[in-house]
Amino acid sequence: NAGVTQTPKFQVLKTGQSMTLQCAQDMNHEYMSWYRQDPGMGLRLIHYSVGAGITDQGEVPNGYNVSRSTTEDFPLRLLSAAPSQTSVYFCASSPSLGRGGYNEQFFGPGTRLTVL
Amino acid sequence: GDSVTQMEGPVTLSEEAFLTINCTYTATGYPSLFWYVQYPGEGLQLLLKATKADDKGSNKGFEATYRKETTSFHLEKGSVQVSDSAVYFCALSGSFGNEKLTFGTGTRLTIIP
Repeated sequence: NAGVTQTPKFQVLKTGQSMTLQCAQDMNHEYMSWYRQDPGMGLRLIHYSVGAGITDQGEVPNGYNVSRSTTEDFPLRLLSAAPSQTSVYFCASSPSLGRGGYNEQFFGPGTRLTVL
Repeated sequence: GDSVTQMEGPVTLSEEAFLTINCTYTATGYPSLFWYVQYPGEGLQLLLKATKADDKGSNKGFEATYRKETTSFHLEKGSVQVSDSAVYFCALSGSFGNEKLTFGTGTRLTIIP
């Protein structure tokens, strides 16, 4: 298994440009999520999905769109990049849980995005 | 809402020193608690977990005990190594099968030989 893969590893954008960060997992996990990591702020949840066709907003969703057409893929779209979106982006996946369960989230290696 | 407060860093220790990284949380119900580790240039990896009060999670010589009375989950290791240098994140997930994780701000640990 490749686990969780993310592309690209690095990206530089100009303000106003759009792009898509790719995320894929081969573990048949139902739950997938996107986080951004900023200095002194830990990881903050952007969007998440509990299964194909279902997405929802996290803590910091503004400026980002997601879709989940397959179990494997969960792309993150920046429609009009802004300098405030300069960050490291992590995708994660985990198996679906029942009540009272726990989840180990498996993280990808990250995408470092700079918006000029 | 749920929150995690983590010991401010960075922390620098000598090899073989004792490590404690403090973590306290605020949550309703009975969350699960986690420590994740991020090595340089990599994504996060689960280090250990505890799913109910008084559980002790352990892995690679690290330990943490779920203390509901003090709402804490402090990370400890008796003798650190240079290879333990990384950023450590405390996190919790909700009480009702909620997969969402709430993270602390992270503590950067550097071990010097």
